[in-house]
Amino acid sequence: LAKTTQPISMDSYEGQEVNITCSHNNIATNDYITWYQQFPSQGPRFIIQGYKTKVTNEVASLFIPADRKSSTLSLPRVSLSDTAVYYCLVGDTVAAGNKLTFGGGTRVLVKP
Amino acid sequence: DAGVTQSPTHLIKTRGQQVTLRCSPKSGHDTVSWYQQALGQGPQFIFQYYEEEERQRGNFPDRFSGHQFPNYSSELNVNALLLGDSALYLCASSLRLGSDGYTFGSGTRLTVV
Repeated sequence: LAKTTQPISMDSYEGQEVNITCSHNNIATNDYITWYQQFPSQGPRFIIQGYKTKVTNEVASLFIPADRKSSTLSLPRVSLSDTAVYYCLVGDTVAAGNKLTFGGGTRVLVKP
Repeated sequence: DAGVTQSPTHLIKTRGQQVTLRCSPKSGHDTVSWYQQALGQGPQFIFQYYEEEERQRGNFPDRFSGHQFPNYSSELNVNALLLGDSALYLCASSLRLGSDGYTFGSGTRLTVV
């Protein structure tokens, strides 16, 4: 399984854009990149998933360069409620039978 | 549409005791996975159940066991509890042959004293 490296923590202010970069140098050809969000005392919640280029949904955007060795989660105009831990996962997560491998995540603190 | 339901939400046990945690998967899901999350760390995969059988297992001792029932609900059992077993235990359900992804419950906070 490809190992991921992401910053331990990031601070931001309300209304700003938050970008979290995840490194995954050993990503395999059939691996997807998936981001989860977790609030204290809750389970992780799926945010976005992509394979290459750019993916956008109502919550975030995911940018993946051509070499796929890194990816950037972009949270536009964050609010206080976006304070959470964000996990970058790499693997064949599309197949439901495969387990999820979490790293340490990035703690994002949004300040007023 | 109910998501993943876990019970109890909190539990305090004494070292050496045994504990059973329960999980009801999201409606329509047939696969249940269990994760252990220590304070300040990411969730760690314990095992996964499908068709009432353990299909995959993470690096956890045999003290950790599970079961899946015909209605797809699941139990996690931990014997001979250690202080280090204190953690948030998360259940995630999914559909084996589908692309619905994983849905996590809010977890059971286990404290071993």
